[in-house]
Amino acid sequence: AQKVTQAQTEISVVEKEDVTLDCVYETRDTTYYLFWYKQPPSGELVFLIRRNSFDEQNEISGRYSWNFQKSTSSFNFTITASQVVDSAVYFCALSEVNYGGATNKLIFGTGTLLAVQP
Amino acid sequence: ETGVTQTPRHLVMGMTNKKSLKCEQHLGHNAMYWYKQSAKKPLELMFVYNFKEQTENNSVPSRFSPECPNSSHLFLHLHTLQPEDSALYLCASGDKDHETQYFGPGTRLLVL
Repeated sequence: AQKVTQAQTEISVVEKEDVTLDCVYETRDTTYYLFWYKQPPSGELVFLIRRNSFDEQNEISGRYSWNFQKSTSSFNFTITASQVVDSAVYFCALSEVNYGGATNKLIFGTGTLLAVQP
Repeated sequence: ETGVTQTPRHLVMGMTNKKSLKCEQHLGHNAMYWYKQSAKKPLELMFVYNFKEQTENNSVPSRFSPECPNSSHLFLHLHTLQPEDSALYLCASGDKDHETQYFGPGTRLLVL
């Protein structure tokens, strides 16, 4: 069965600190996608990144970076020099790859609440 | 409007009421989804539609009735709900390969 674990329920940091959000996943599929979403207090889930299981290159986008380690089934997310606007719940998710036009099902972790204090 | 929109944003209803949630996507996607987000629980997939056809019903009680008249619109009809149905209901649409789902702002539902 597929499963996503975000062991950190809540993290509190002071502005400008770096913070890493952990994500560990389980799947028997050899091909899959991993995602991170941000949910600010307004409620909308904002898509941040999608990673294909064949691509283990780390990615950096501004202050955000992602570390995909297939050997440890982890897909961790680091925010550098955190800001108050980064305060939100962050969800890691996993989906299998469906061929032939079928829809993918996302399996979400329980989320990590990040509070960035000024 | 761009992206995925949902109305209403907030809804309070009694257990005997009938109401509907609406979702509209302006992204040209063919797949649409309903999720339920309750406090302290992971997001739960409720329904999936692909090209207007329902492809997934995740053992959702019949008091929730989805409708997808076209690929851009998705409804969730609610009747005789229970207080435990109070939650944030999120709609999403899927891109051309259904790999990434884009979410609307959600409807916060309170059942009294």
